[in-house]
Amino acid sequence: DIQLTQSPSSLSASVGDRVTITCRASQNINNYLNWYQHRPGKAPQLLIYAASTLQSGVPSRFSGRGFGTDFTLTISGLQPDDFAIYYCQQSHRTPPYTFGQGTKLEI
Amino acid sequence: QVQLVESGGGVVQPGRSLRLSCAASGFTFSNYALHWVRQAPGKGLEWVAVISYHGSTKFYADSVKGRFTISRDDSNNTVILQMNSLRPEDSAVYYCARQDVSSWYYFDYWGQGTLVTVSS
Repeated sequence: DIQLTQSPSSLSASVGDRVTITCRASQNINNYLNWYQHRPGKAPQLLIYAASTLQSGVPSRFSGRGFGTDFTLTISGLQPDDFAIYYCQQSHRTPPYTFGQGTKLEI
Repeated sequence: QVQLVESGGGVVQPGRSLRLSCAASGFTFSNYALHWVRQAPGKGLEWVAVISYHGSTKFYADSVKGRFTISRDDSNNTVILQMNSLRPEDSAVYYCARQDVSSWYYFDYWGQGTLVTVSS
């Protein structure tokens, strides 16, 4: 199975900051990489799919890059609502569609 | 609007069974694959199972293979997760999620989740 490793596991930042989260796959997944935001007690929300395509309705301060095994999620100009846990997920070929271990973004 | 509403969670003893349901609305249910994803207390998201739009293809995580069964009822727009031989490590919030119809296989809508606690 494909493993995803996110870094850092947690991150402290302030409103207005720019932050980057990294996700590394254990093998080539082309650009079958998705990013989700998860706030406590809420449903996870899709932010980016196919490594860099912004889901409809997601603010443009979120951006994604990468191909192959190395991917990043960048949030430019953090807003109070952005403090949450972020997960990468691979959807390459057949399941299991594994998730990274998550990155907790804290104030 | 698209809605997914999970139900059926609760407290159950180890070795017993539980059946989770996810009721869908706001879209043509029979056109979509559906997944179950769980989050154990203090842990991250773990993919559990998927059923194809036609119901004939199913995949499971190794951790639940042979114990959990996913199925769908297109007449009632419901996806079901039958969980047998439950273990304490199955305790989690269980989410159902819709897989987008494109070939990118991302999960574009999620439910709010239902809590399963396996404890004696």
